Amino acid sequence: DQQVKQNSPSLSVQEGRISILNCDYTNSMFDYFLWYKKYPAEGPTFLISISSIKDKNEDGRFTVFLNKSAKHLSLHIVPSQPGDSAVYFCAASALSSGSARQLTFGSGTQLTVLP
Amino acid sequence: DARVTQTPRHKVTEMGQEVTMRCQPILGHNTVFWYRQTMMQGLELLAYFRNRAPLDDSGMPKDRFSAEMPDATLATLKIQPSEPRDSAVYFCASGLVPDGGLGTDTQYFGPGTRLTVL
Repeated sequence: DQQVKQNSPSLSVQEGRISILNCDYTNSMFDYFLWYKKYPAEGPTFLISISSIKDKNEDGRFTVFLNKSAKHLSLHIVPSQPGDSAVYFCAASALSSGSARQLTFGSGTQLTVLP
Repeated sequence: DARVTQTPRHKVTEMGQEVTMRCQPILGHNTVFWYRQTMMQGLELLAYFRNRAPLDDSGMPKDRFSAEMPDATLATLKIQPSEPRDSAVYFCASGLVPDGGLGTDTQYFGPGTRLTVL
């Protein structure tokens, strides 16, 4: 049972426009959310995160929105650039019995920004 | 430029052979995670360590997989014997959790080891 879902395997956007990537989760214990970007043949790289006490976090062209009641978060990229073309993973974590939190990842969305 | 390093980057082996993958976490990080990425399952957590102690390896097939941290600068993931269904990209990630606290959840990933078992 997938606890973090990215229902769109792919998304194509024109350069300069907004890219919106979506993520849904089912575990109400999740209280910290992250987005990672992955280029081919590389490991995922951290992009932006948000704590459940916030509903928005912004970093340059990237903004993450969290809707706790809907158990939904989204990543907005504006303006989109060709270099943003990558696979984007949503991840979530909850306090666990261990003292290092585990991340649960979604299946990823391939973003293609067209020039 | 601090990075997680993994060796080898690619490994092709035959079914039944032992495979060892190595990871050097970022200096000063005290948590290490092993993930496997497949087309079907996405990124799955196999095991993780804090201060070299294994905290959870429930995601790992225990009969053939083992994960260790011989020292703070080296983590290993072994598969013995390997099977074709083990073919995947294996990622190592590290992070920093301050002693006594939960710290950041941000994990920094290595480039991965692409394993092919024939």
